[in-house]
Amino acid sequence: AQSVSQHNHHVILSEAASLELGCNYSYGGTVNLFWYVQYPGQHLQLLLKYFSGDPLVKGIKGFEAEFIKSKFSFNLRKPSVQWSDTAEYFCAVRGGDSSYKLIFGSGTRLLVRP
Amino acid sequence: GAVVSQHPSRVICKSGTSVKIECRSLDFQATTMFWYRQFPKQSLMLMATSNEGSKATYEQGVEKDKFLINHASLTLSTLTVTSAHPEDSSFYICSARTGSGQSVETQYFGPGTRLLVL
Repeated sequence: AQSVSQHNHHVILSEAASLELGCNYSYGGTVNLFWYVQYPGQHLQLLLKYFSGDPLVKGIKGFEAEFIKSKFSFNLRKPSVQWSDTAEYFCAVRGGDSSYKLIFGSGTRLLVRP
Repeated sequence: GAVVSQHPSRVICKSGTSVKIECRSLDFQATTMFWYRQFPKQSLMLMATSNEGSKATYEQGVEKDKFLINHASLTLSTLTVTSAHPEDSSFYICSARTGSGQSVETQYFGPGTRLLVL
């Protein structure tokens, strides 16, 4: 069965610090990978996604993620965080079959201090 | 971008009553809608996949007779929690799939409905 692990449950950073959130998945076949963000009081929004091609994916708001197949990882990065990046971040995986189901990680709460 | 709405945003009901939650895609046609449940400080757990005009597909462990899903049109899916109990209290989130072919498929999420059963 597919699963997604996000090892950092809570992260606290100061503004301008660099961010890296870990995401590892368990699935034997082709996968599609996603990062979603949930700002306080708002709904989930798509940050970026990987389907194929360049394993370094750039998303909105300066975020990027790198797919490393050998490590089953899809870590999210941002070189310099802002206070407005305070949110909860979810990694999700979908098997590259006919199913469109998303399996979510447990989420990482990011607090950026001004 | 694509917008998904949910109604109501929050509901309080008595134990034993039924509650209906609506999920609408406002500016696109959603072939497939998904219903998730999110417990406090936990991730989203997929409950069921709803395809327009056909029966929903439920995930293992989800009672189909308790969580009735209807996807009557390409813009509306409903989740009815029947005979609700306090343990059904949770945050219910829907999403809708747009596009065709996996290369452009993306799920857009609604704002969620908080259900409290007394």
